[in-house]
Amino acid sequence: DADVTQTPRNRITKTGKRIMLECSQTKGHDRMYWYRQDPGLGLRLIYYSFDVKDINKGEISDGYSVSRQAQAKFSLSLESAIPNQTALYFCATSDHTGVGEKLFFGSGTQLSVL
Amino acid sequence: QKEVEQNSGPLSVPEGAIASLNCTYSDRVSQSFFWYRQYSGKSPELIMSIYSNGDKEDGRFTAQLNKASQYVSLLIRDSQPSDSATYLCAVNDNNDMRFGAGTRLTVKP
Repeated sequence: DADVTQTPRNRITKTGKRIMLECSQTKGHDRMYWYRQDPGLGLRLIYYSFDVKDINKGEISDGYSVSRQAQAKFSLSLESAIPNQTALYFCATSDHTGVGEKLFFGSGTQLSVL
Repeated sequence: QKEVEQNSGPLSVPEGAIASLNCTYSDRVSQSFFWYRQYSGKSPELIMSIYSNGDKEDGRFTAQLNKASQYVSLLIRDSQPSDSATYLCAVNDNNDMRFGAGTRLTVKP
């Protein structure tokens, strides 16, 4: 079984629709992240959470919101999807060990907004 | 704006050769550095981390860090076709992790 599970794996939606991407983990990590990946741009951080009561904006949070329902669950919402939110979305966790952050990624959700 | 720059490639090397992947970063106070490998259609996976100047070796992989030059590299010795992937450089500064766009490596048999 995957340690970091994302659902759905693929999603096609229309402009203006609200959608939610879900992430759950069995690694027992406190820290969870949402990234998006676009060709030629690499991974960019949308939101991150260091524990259940902590939510932080990343580099590109506009148009997105998140909810940390439990230590193991972190969901990403697009309130009103637009075509430039078409991307590959990754959830990640980390076990903070002092100096650095070693990230463990889910399998990704390919989102297409028409 | 904190930047992490990589040559997008593609970088093509013959099987058995050394592949050299390079990364530069703009933020001088960056503390930790990572190389992730991403196979096509898959998620990134961590292959190396380095925190201090110099070389760090792990099997066929060597990470090199030069903080004065703001430069980190990954060497892959005895490259294999299974090493064909995109390699992402990541730089962390106080919980602000930035990724480069990645270098696509192809190892030809």
